[in-house]
Amino acid sequence: AQSVTQLGSHVSVSEGALVLLRCNYSSSVPPYLFWYVQYPNQGLQLLLKYTTGATLVKGINGFEAEFKKSETSFHLTKPSAHMSDAAEYFCAVSDQSYNTDKLIFGTGTRLQVFP
Amino acid sequence: GAVVSQHPSRVICKSGTSVKIECRSLDFQATTMFWYRQFPKQSLMLMATSNEGSKATYEQGVEKDKFLINHASLTLSTLTVTSAHPEDSSFYICSASPGTSGRIEQYFGPGTRLTVT
Repeated sequence: AQSVTQLGSHVSVSEGALVLLRCNYSSSVPPYLFWYVQYPNQGLQLLLKYTTGATLVKGINGFEAEFKKSETSFHLTKPSAHMSDAAEYFCAVSDQSYNTDKLIFGTGTRLQVFP
Repeated sequence: GAVVSQHPSRVICKSGTSVKIECRSLDFQATTMFWYRQFPKQSLMLMATSNEGSKATYEQGVEKDKFLINHASLTLSTLTVTSAHPEDSSFYICSASPGTSGRIEQYFGPGTRLTVT
């Protein structure tokens, strides 16, 4: 079975500082990995995804993540935080079953950005 | 592209009544739709997976007779919470995928907040 662990339920940074949100996964097959962002009372928006190929994935809003197989990690980073980045971030791994891919989500990390 | 809508966005109902939530893919055909439930400040928990024209596959612990899912067309899936109780109050989110396999990403709706009084 696949699983996702997000270290740190809350992360606080100052505006302009580096953002690092951690995600580790467990999978017996090559994973597909995703980062989603959720703003209050809204659904999820895809930030970026890793499927195959280049391990450094660039997404929207200046975010990027690097797939490191040896570390089973897929950490999300952004060089300079903006106030609008404050939201809940979810890491997810796909779990193919019954020929339909389910997403297994981590518990989420709430990012706060201080001025 | 790849827009998914949900209706209603918020609903308040009395205990014992049934509530239907619609999930529509607006600009693509969704072979597969997923229904999630999210408790406050928690992650999304998959409730069920539905493929157009077939019965939904429910996750362990989800009551199929309480949470009725219909995926009658390639653009519409409905979740009906029957005989709702206050503990059913939650944020329900659907997602849609254009394929049945191949690890194609899911596109999420904006969610429906259900409050049962």
